[in-house]
Amino acid sequence: DAGITQSPRHKVTETGTPVTLRCHQTENHRYMYWYRQDPGHGLRLIHYSYGVKDTDKGEVSDGYSVSRSKTEDFLLTLESATSSQTSVYFCAISERVGLAGGSTDTQYFGPGTRLTVL
Amino acid sequence: AQTVTQSQPEMSVQEAETVTLSCTYDTSESDYYLFWYKQPPSRQMILVIRQEAYKQQNATENRFSVNFQKAAKSFSLKISDSQLGDAAMYFCAYRSAFAGKGGVGGAQKLVFGQGTRLTINP
Repeated sequence: DAGITQSPRHKVTETGTPVTLRCHQTENHRYMYWYRQDPGHGLRLIHYSYGVKDTDKGEVSDGYSVSRSKTEDFLLTLESATSSQTSVYFCAISERVGLAGGSTDTQYFGPGTRLTVL
Repeated sequence: AQTVTQSQPEMSVQEAETVTLSCTYDTSESDYYLFWYKQPPSRQMILVIRQEAYKQQNATENRFSVNFQKAAKSFSLKISDSQLGDAAMYFCAYRSAFAGKGGVGGAQKLVFGQGTRLTINP
């Protein structure tokens, strides 16, 4: 358990409304990620963060924005939700351990948020 | 850009038997990591096994092992003595070994395959 929580776990909203999903971690991991999971596509990276206020786009970033004002929280915002953004959203964390001890290079995932946009 | 392909949308196996899930990938990089993740009905993503491309020896974790063929860009997962708890979606994933943003090691950007749904028949 990497101490990752996501909120809300389920949300139903209407097209055109703003939506914010929260990812919270308790173990001071440096890197945080947002993925979406859709049938036939596996997981695809939306945005990621490599430090407080340091973020970058992933593979499917259009229509999404992120913010990370403190280490433990990474927010994903849909400014104006569309039906194509109906999906399951996963947050993940990683942190490379010092080379002397070997690198974990392992990414741990939160429990996911199911978002439905009507 | 790297791509990962899992050509078997669904597989099934009898309990206690062995099953192999296929994964191929496309990359021009020489150094990278490959992973298999398991997603049971609870939806939690669980790391099953990882392989460093520079290692010729295939990774093993208890009943799980991989057949890594670098030249063929193939990375299959073998599950021995299948158990009912192995029923899940299995995802193959790729990550470049080159440093991403954020310093040594950097951020990992995983590229996933489409997934294979594994059913275990009692």
